[in-house]
Amino acid sequence: SAVISQKPSRDICQRGTSLTIQCQVDSQVTMMFWYRQQPGQSLTLIATANQGSEATYESGFVIDKFPISRPNLTFSTLTVSNMSPEDSSIYLCSVDGTSGSFDTQYFGPGTRLTVL
Amino acid sequence: GDSVTQMEGPVTLSEEAFLTINCTYTATGYPSLFWYVQYPGEGLQLLLKATKADDKGSNKGFEATYRKETTSFHLEKGSVQVSDSAVYFCALSHTGYSSASKIIFGSGTRLSIRP
Repeated sequence: SAVISQKPSRDICQRGTSLTIQCQVDSQVTMMFWYRQQPGQSLTLIATANQGSEATYESGFVIDKFPISRPNLTFSTLTVSNMSPEDSSIYLCSVDGTSGSFDTQYFGPGTRLTVL
Repeated sequence: GDSVTQMEGPVTLSEEAFLTINCTYTATGYPSLFWYVQYPGEGLQLLLKATKADDKGSNKGFEATYRKETTSFHLEKGSVQVSDSAVYFCALSHTGYSSASKIIFGSGTRLSIRP
């Protein structure tokens, strides 16, 4: 399985600011995914990031609020823009499995964001 | 659309008790089924999976069997430990031919084990 790291692990931000979260994988992967986990809730997919193309956003999420970059096969960033307290969540990236195991995703440790 | 319904928590058990967390799904075709676990303060870890009917996934003493006739994937463990205290998520995904598809998660079940 892939080893995934995220930076920062947690942050406390002021309303109206933006935060960029980094996701680094130790091997090349085709797809990277960004999820949001609001307090006490399940995970909701924000967008899917494929290297070399625009991210695909799920209903209810827009690029202006959550811009994503995917510059290569091992790295992606998610920016949470113009934050409000409602954006306080854990943000997790995940990657698809290696060849032969595309039905499985592996998750990073998450970024715990608190917006004041 | 596809969905996953799992047993509401929290669930509190004594150490060495038998555990069942129910999970049912609604999906077209033949999805892969998963249980993920989230320990306090950590991200999600894959606990086990099954990719076709009657498959049994197992790991760390946990088991779940893919039952297509009842569209269920219940998680069981014969004797729980305090270290099993975590949130458990049932999930499904449709396998892509070249890359993964998005995962549909259940609402999660918080499990607490008393010493």
